[in-house]
Amino acid sequence: QSVLTQPPSVSGAPGQRVTISCTGSSSDIGAGFDVHWYQQLPGTAPKVLIYGFNNRPSGVPDRFSGSKSGTSASLAITGLQAEDEADYYCQSYDTSLSAVFGGGTKLTVL
Amino acid sequence: EVQLVESGGGLIQPGGSLRLSCAASGLTVSHSFMNWVRQAPGKGLEWVSLVYTAGSRYYADSVKGRFTISRDNGKNTLTLQMDSLRAEDTALYYCAGGDYDRAPLDYWGQGILVTVSS
Repeated sequence: QSVLTQPPSVSGAPGQRVTISCTGSSSDIGAGFDVHWYQQLPGTAPKVLIYGFNNRPSGVPDRFSGSKSGTSASLAITGLQAEDEADYYCQSYDTSLSAVFGGGTKLTVL
Repeated sequence: EVQLVESGGGLIQPGGSLRLSCAASGLTVSHSFMNWVRQAPGKGLEWVSLVYTAGSRYYADSVKGRFTISRDNGKNTLTLQMDSLRAEDTALYYCAGGDYDRAPLDYWGQGILVTVSS
């Protein structure tokens, strides 16, 4: 089964822009499967942040955006705010029709 | 409003079995894309199993042959039968669902803790 690779941590100062990468392979992201991004605040269940590469559910600020290129996807957060400090996960599927999550990235707002 | 409520967790010895249930309201389990996702203490999310709307089921390699996902349409409940449990199965287990196959998992339960230890 597939593995999606994320950096363990990223950080930025308030107001800055950060990106979180999600690297897959030709069997998952590269095969054309959607990539979804989740935000998990401490002690809570994950919440959908971006779905289908770059679609935001209602209520998610447009400071959050997604992109995809080849076998990778990225989440960008602009105008960083203290409340954005959380864990972020990418998720996709692979050619065996199983799901896969990235290892997660902890965002620290300095 | 969709609610997913997990139950059935607890402390179990290695080699034992547990059956998790996820009771749904505001969502029809048999028509939805349903998953189990777990999170070991201090670790990231790990996908465990899913059932597509048409009924086909898939499992992570780490649980294949030991866990079974099923739907109880009469009770509108998703279940996860966990056999031959190992210490590494210790985690918070979430029931999660989406509106169509491979949809984003918009709906999550609060999670239920499974601890495998002697």
